[in-house]
Amino acid sequence: AQTVTQSQPEMSVQEAETVTLSCTYDTSESDYYLFWYKQPPSRQMILVIRQEAYKQQNATENRFSVNFQKAAKSFSLKISDSQLGDAAMYFCAYSWSADKLIFGTGTRLQVFP
Amino acid sequence: DTGVSQDPRHKITKRGQNVTFRCDPISEHNRLYWYRQTLGQGPEFLTYFQNEAQLEKSRLLSDRFSAERPKGSFSTLEIQRTEQGDSAMYLCASSPRTSGDQETQYFGPGTRLLVL
Repeated sequence: AQTVTQSQPEMSVQEAETVTLSCTYDTSESDYYLFWYKQPPSRQMILVIRQEAYKQQNATENRFSVNFQKAAKSFSLKISDSQLGDAAMYFCAYSWSADKLIFGTGTRLQVFP
Repeated sequence: DTGVSQDPRHKITKRGQNVTFRCDPISEHNRLYWYRQTLGQGPEFLTYFQNEAQLEKSRLLSDRFSAERPKGSFSTLEIQRTEQGDSAMYLCASSPRTSGDQETQYFGPGTRLLVL
């Protein structure tokens, strides 16, 4: 069965600094999709970034980028130039085809001024 | 495009009562998903539809839970004889039929259920 593990329950970063959130997963599939979602307090889940497993190039979206290591089954999220608005729960998720998402337990990110 | 909408946003009920939640996906999204999220945890998959067909149900979806999407547009999730353990956030998501983006799910604001 596929599993997603986020080993950092909480992380903190100073405004304008860089932080990396870790995620590992387990699957026997070769083609799949990985996502990072952000869930601000009492607000809805927002897609941050997605990565197709068949693409070797790491995805980037403005200040957000991933380090996708397929052999190691690792998918970390780097947030550069952190802003107060980045404070949220971040969930790593896995999907095979257009199937259900399997989520990790989340990492709570605090951003200090 | 308006986003995924869910109604109600909050529901308080007494144990043993039935509740029904509604989800309206993004227009023309053909897949619709239901998840449950308890405090401090990631969402857990419940069920999903492609158009009006229910394609998969999780073991979490006991006999007291039923979901429908009768015309392939909005969906309802009903919980019968609610129990305190049903207290959670119920999230709905939809994904487009567009090739290249159909794997991406867009979430609604959720319905927070409290069973007393």
